[in-house]
Amino acid sequence: QQQVKQSPQSLIVQKGGIPIINCAYENTAFDYFPWYQQFPGKGPALLIAIRPDVSEKKEGRFTISFNKSAKQFSLHIMDSQPGDSATYFCAASRGADGLTFGKGTHLIIQP
Amino acid sequence: SAVISQKPSRDICQRGTSLTIQCQVDSQVTMMFWYRQQPGQSLTLIATANQGSEATYESGFVIDKFPISRPNLTFSTLTVSNMSPEDSSIYLCSVSPGGDEQFFGPGTRLTVL
Repeated sequence: QQQVKQSPQSLIVQKGGIPIINCAYENTAFDYFPWYQQFPGKGPALLIAIRPDVSEKKEGRFTISFNKSAKQFSLHIMDSQPGDSATYFCAASRGADGLTFGKGTHLIIQP
Repeated sequence: SAVISQKPSRDICQRGTSLTIQCQVDSQVTMMFWYRQQPGQSLTLIATANQGSEATYESGFVIDKFPISRPNLTFSTLTVSNMSPEDSSIYLCSVSPGGDEQFFGPGTRLTVL
């Protein structure tokens, strides 16, 4: 498995702000790019995912931006709330293969 | 999505022993995966478990250490064999009901003394 690089490692944002988490990948065979949210003591929960044939996808307050030529994708959280405080992981896979994860971003939304 | 349960939710084991972790899904799924998440770290794929075939292991993981069973389309087990403190991790199963989406179980938190 090739690496998926995620940044920043940690992020603090005021309530209502827009945290942005970035990921970059190397393997051009990857064709599926999900984001997961994980709370302490819980398994990761699928938030939103994108394929390389689109440049942006929105689901509720969560948006993925995808730049195929740069091999980068990012997660934006609109109108962030304290309840969004969690660890966020980007991931990538080729077809139905297992996922390669980024190292995670610990996000804190301050009231 | 799918409802996934794992047993046990946590365990404390002695060095040299083995632990079998169970993963149960509420619907039939073709693809099941096992991951390891070391404390404060990211997730690493251990193996892919498909019903009717041998599990496929990722680099750094071997069948003798992590034997996997997949007897049917709703159940799988992962055994952590001859454990050492370095095996202390959260072990997670995930399923792919169809397409590329993967859904994770709650995890099994293992501590090896």
